[in-house]
Amino acid sequence: DAGVIQSPRHEVTEMGQEVTLRCKPISGHDYLFWYRQTMMRGLELLIYFNNNVPIDDSGMPEDRFSAKMPNASFSTLKIQPSEPRDSAVYFCASGEREDKNIQYFGAGTRLSVL
Amino acid sequence: ILNVEQSPQSLHVQEGDSTNFTCSFPSSNFYALHWYRWETAKSPEALFVMTLNGDEKKKGRISATLNTKEGYSYLYIKGSQPEDSATYLCAPEDAGNMLTFGGGTRLMVKP
Repeated sequence: DAGVIQSPRHEVTEMGQEVTLRCKPISGHDYLFWYRQTMMRGLELLIYFNNNVPIDDSGMPEDRFSAKMPNASFSTLKIQPSEPRDSAVYFCASGEREDKNIQYFGAGTRLSVL
Repeated sequence: ILNVEQSPQSLHVQEGDSTNFTCSFPSSNFYALHWYRWETAKSPEALFVMTLNGDEKKKGRISATLNTKEGYSYLYIKGSQPEDSATYLCAPEDAGNMLTFGGGTRLMVKP
């Protein structure tokens, strides 16, 4: 397997624009996580899915953020409208209970909102 | 979400030195403890998962211990090498299987 694949790797956008980040988890994994990494707060969990169902979205900063997982092989994290304070690296990770819940991370998307 | 503390925040050592750092977490609602290694410009990679009090794991020169009663884990690196330079994250897993990552210990090994 190619691992967790995220796209794009880098995104530069202007304040107010909609941003969509994409993630393809490892095939067969039943958990998918979205994290945000910032200097101030480190690695924060935003939301996670189990079998495509959102389980805990308490880490989502506000209503501008939304995440979907329409099927087992694809998830999106959308920010609308984006703001400069959303600038961060966003990581997607997947895992499975049978693998001791170890999480396998994608390469991340570096988002810059100007 | 658990309160996870890692110390020190950063550490500079010379090649060949042995080092260790600490992860503290609430002992209640504990299920497992994960350690990850995060190299600059890459993504975190799992090192160890430990579940039982007294567990000890080893991978090459890196080892980890777990004390679930008092809520801490130690990570040891024997004979540090420049390629060990990375941020080491611990993440306790609660009974709901959620991981909470600590702030990490950034290790820099000078040749």
